[in-house]
Amino acid sequence: DTEVTQTPKHLVMGMTNKKSLKCEQHMGHRAMYWYKQKAKKPPELMFVYSYEKLSINESVPSRFSPECPNSSLLNLHLHALQPEDSALYLCASSQTTGQNNNSPLHFGNGTRLTVT
Amino acid sequence: DAKTTQPNSMESNEEEPVHLPCNHSTISGTDYIHWYRQLPSQGPEYVIHGLTSNVNNRMASLAIAEDRKSSTLILHRATLRDAAVYYCILRDRGSTLGRLYFGRGTQLTVWP
Repeated sequence: DTEVTQTPKHLVMGMTNKKSLKCEQHMGHRAMYWYKQKAKKPPELMFVYSYEKLSINESVPSRFSPECPNSSLLNLHLHALQPEDSALYLCASSQTTGQNNNSPLHFGNGTRLTVT
Repeated sequence: DAKTTQPNSMESNEEEPVHLPCNHSTISGTDYIHWYRQLPSQGPEYVIHGLTSNVNNRMASLAIAEDRKSSTLILHRATLRDAAVYYCILRDRGSTLGRLYFGRGTQLTVWP
């Protein structure tokens, strides 16, 4: 079992749909992350939130819209996605974003997204 | 971020030790060496990290070369549950953001 909970586990959506992925952690972590993982590939960083503020956007298309409503929750809003956006979306959190930060990332088990 | 090079795949028999190598010849003085693994149908899981000295924890050992240009993750007795993709990642300790950039990793197969 993981301490980072992602819902839903699976999601199928059409290209005109709007949906949201949710991530929750109760470890008191103040950094949260979204990663995208295509089949047989390593995870790719999408966004980093630090103290509920967006710190890094790795040039992700605007059809992906992250939101961090509080320190425990992270959402990823999806709109007008393409079939090539089908992937496993992973959420992670870590303890701090201060200097000398080597706090490990804790990952959820992801949402398997299929865009039809 | 500095790059790492790992073999695409390795195999082991159950209950035997496994040595997973990682080359990082462009490592900087501020980079920590982190290892994560990803079991099938799960998110990545932290294994161990180190800077210069060898490190041990309940999951594994990390042996770091004296020049820090390579490291080896050691699983002392492989189990079937250790079959996973193992990622060696360099993480800048001077960064205020704890982001990780994953390379391709090593797929470890464990035979019964």
